[in-house]
Amino acid sequence: AQSVAQPEDQVNVAEGNPLTVKCTYSVSGNPYLFWYVQYPNRGLQFLLKYITGDNLVKGSYGFEAEFNKSQTSFHLKKPSALVSDSALYFCAVRDTYIPTGGGNKLTFGTGTQLKVEL
Amino acid sequence: GAVVSQHPSWVICKSGTSVKIECRSLDFQATTMFWYRQFPKQSLMLMATSNEGSKATYEQGVEKDKFLINHASLTLSTLTVTSAHPEDSSFYICSARGNWAGGGNEQYFGPGTRLTVT
Repeated sequence: AQSVAQPEDQVNVAEGNPLTVKCTYSVSGNPYLFWYVQYPNRGLQFLLKYITGDNLVKGSYGFEAEFNKSQTSFHLKKPSALVSDSALYFCAVRDTYIPTGGGNKLTFGTGTQLKVEL
Repeated sequence: GAVVSQHPSWVICKSGTSVKIECRSLDFQATTMFWYRQFPKQSLMLMATSNEGSKATYEQGVEKDKFLINHASLTLSTLTVTSAHPEDSSFYICSARGNWAGGGNEQYFGPGTRLTVT
């Protein structure tokens, strides 16, 4: 079974400071990892993904994430936080990669509320 | 590109009535769509996987006779909550998986539908 853990319910950071939102995962095979952001009463917006290749993945809005296989982690980072980054962030893992057809389930973490203050 | 819409964005209905929620992929074809439910300040819970032209696959604990899913075309899936009760009040989010060659196969999420049953 696959699972995702986001150990922090909330992260507070001052604008301009670097931010990190933590995520660890558990899968039986190779992980496919995703970060999504959700604003109040809205759906999820895709930020970035790791499938294979370079461990450092760059995504939307200046976010990046580093895949660490030995620590089974995929922490989300941004060098300089903005107030507008305040939102709910979800890490997700997918099971066996299936190029066509069904399946392709995502398992989400419980979410981390990011609050960026002036 | 890769836009998913949901209609309605919010709905209030009386207990015992049925409500239909539409999920459309606007600029791509989606062989597979997913329906999630999200409770306040909680993660997304996968309810079912919907494949075009076939029956949906429901997750354990989800009543298929209560949550009817139809995926009649490559751009439209519907979720009907039958005989709704107050405990069905929730935020329902759909997603669609891209179906193009070389696509990342990540899921694209709709904006969600807020259902309130009185």
